[in-house]
Amino acid sequence: GDSVTQTEGLVTLTEGLPVMLNCTYQTIYSNPFLFWYVQHLNESPRLLLKSFTDNKRTEHQGFHATLHKSSSSFHLQKSSAQLSDSALYYCALSDYNVLYFGSGTKLTVEP
Amino acid sequence: GGIITQTPKFLIGQEGQKLTLKCQQNFNHDTMYWYRQDSGKGLRLIYYSITENDLQKGDLSEGYDASREKKSSFSLTVTSAQKNEMAVFLCASSLRQGGTEVFFGKGTRLTVV
Repeated sequence: GDSVTQTEGLVTLTEGLPVMLNCTYQTIYSNPFLFWYVQHLNESPRLLLKSFTDNKRTEHQGFHATLHKSSSSFHLQKSSAQLSDSALYYCALSDYNVLYFGSGTKLTVEP
Repeated sequence: GGIITQTPKFLIGQEGQKLTLKCQQNFNHDTMYWYRQDSGKGLRLIYYSITENDLQKGDLSEGYDASREKKSSFSLTVTSAQKNEMAVFLCASSLRQGGTEVFFGKGTRLTVV
């Protein structure tokens, strides 16, 4: 079945350094939708960005990701981490029927 | 905009008890979901519903029942609460299946004593 893998459970960075959170997926569906959701402390998850176009960069709020179907990846990146980026980040896959989430990466940005 | 309201916010139950969690949305969305959130395990799908009176099982449906009697509401029942079920349950909705943004409620935190 469909699945999403986020290899890092915890990432700790110093403010100003680049962010890269890994996401790979498995699906038999040829046109999956990929998403990144962010959940700040004591809040609900909310959509950060999404894509269904191969090799096209998607950007929002300083974050960007590119869907690469050849490697089944949708890594999240940001050039310079801010303290306010500390949160739980979920990669998710939709095969048109339902949204499957990865296990999440907790990002902590330190001064 | 819209809102998803989950009640109660906190639910304390006894082991073996039947417990019901409720969810209402005013987005007029077709699809609604129940996810369970456990630390380190991400969001796991329990049930979803693509329209009124429809129910589809997710990967974690064993031990749960769901009901979608109206388009705007979706309830989840824990049939027999177990101590290892302490978790946050998140209700969500989307305009239709797949591809569209999913909006989440603030969650119900379940504690079983």
